[in-house]
Amino acid sequence: DTGVSQDPRHKITKRGQNVTFRCDPISEHNRLYWYRQTLGQGPEFLTYFQNEAQLEKSRLLSDRFSAERPKGSFSTLEIQRTEQGDSAMYLCASSLGQGALQEKLFFGSGTQLSVL
Amino acid sequence: KNQVEQSPQSLIILEGKNCTLQCNYTVSPFSNLRWYKQDTGRGPVSLTIMTFSENTKSNGRYTATLDADTKQSSLHITASQLSDSASYICVVSPNAGNNRKLIWGLGTSLAVNP
Repeated sequence: DTGVSQDPRHKITKRGQNVTFRCDPISEHNRLYWYRQTLGQGPEFLTYFQNEAQLEKSRLLSDRFSAERPKGSFSTLEIQRTEQGDSAMYLCASSLGQGALQEKLFFGSGTQLSVL
Repeated sequence: KNQVEQSPQSLIILEGKNCTLQCNYTVSPFSNLRWYKQDTGRGPVSLTIMTFSENTKSNGRYTATLDADTKQSSLHITASQLSDSASYICVVSPNAGNNRKLIWGLGTSLAVNP
């Protein structure tokens, strides 16, 4: 257990439905990341928060995707009007950003999304 | 183009044996190199993280080496256990403190058989 929790672990939905995932990072970590991983590939960066501010979004994050981190604690990732291509593992990670050369990332177990 | 290549793609060993996984990278600039273990259907778990000035780092039965001149790294697993069966991924960070631009290898799938 890395200390990063994600919920739900699995989500099956029909195309066109909206889904929301939650991530609870390690409590003292100020940085939170969302990644997407498909089978046989490395995680792809989606978006990044420092405290409650969303500082960067990947071009992979279409306007159907939105992420929030109210109060700089937990974060949610919502996908609207899901498409079959959204099927993937959605990973959350947190870190204690201190500008160190070795900023260690702690990943959650992920939410596996299947869009039918 | 920034790339991380790992070998072998897959490996099968018997419980108790040692093994070494390889990682070659062509990433510039270079800040640090990480090894992660990822079980099927789970998130990656950090094993080691090394900057360019570090040659070796250990974490229990895992020992990583780094040669920044030849841009090669290895992960040595000693006295393997069944629970070591997983994908081992080499990741290079071009910039310090920037986890948005990580360059991920495709991993080595390790199976430890009884």
